[in-house]
Amino acid sequence: GAGVSQTPSNKVTEKGKYVELRCDPISGHTALYWYRQSLGQGPEFLIYFQGTGAADDSGLPNDRFFAVRPEGSVSTLKIQRTERGDSAVYLCASSLAGANVLTFGAGSRLTVL
Amino acid sequence: DQQVKQNSPSLSVQEGRISILNCDYTNSMFDYFLWYKKYPAEGPTFLISISSIKDKNEDGRFTVFLNKSAKHLSLHIVPSQPGDSAVYFCAASASSRGGSNYKLTFGKGTLLTVNP
Repeated sequence: GAGVSQTPSNKVTEKGKYVELRCDPISGHTALYWYRQSLGQGPEFLIYFQGTGAADDSGLPNDRFFAVRPEGSVSTLKIQRTERGDSAVYLCASSLAGANVLTFGAGSRLTVL
Repeated sequence: DQQVKQNSPSLSVQEGRISILNCDYTNSMFDYFLWYKKYPAEGPTFLISISSIKDKNEDGRFTVFLNKSAKHLSLHIVPSQPGDSAVYFCAASASSRGGSNYKLTFGKGTLLTVNP
């Protein structure tokens, strides 16, 4: 596609539920990133994929968070047993391999009640 | 600890005047710096960047200055336009072993309002 596409744009869930957020990167971009932006903060790095593999997942806050990119294109961020503190905008970005500039999607706003 | 700091949460300027947004960093390993602009309900959009081997980069109305000894960079917008009103994020990265700068560390952002 022309840009990075993220779905859903908004997700409201209850504490303890499971959530999946999807990212469709720019066609041809082999690198994919997930960031999280909490209220009043800048985006914070979660995970980086080069192709199908997670090259760096050091930003995932705990083992309730997991992300996959099975075919090297679309990625899904999975959050188990959601907590109120998980409420944030989850941003996906993509880039060409080795590029310094990331192109971001509009984000998925997650609200955990 | 916050490695990238934008100490001004907001800035208001008149149309046609210069806007100066500031950013400080603490990690001396950072070697690439970017500014992103963000409108409400949209993702951050890349604006301009600078490598640590330079001290200035210009693109139209936007100029970024880097002072490595002070660990400080600034974004100048001149002349400012009402459409520039947005949140501006400063971001920095360090070269990884593979040579790419993939992990961006962002500041908290500065809300710029340009008044007509």
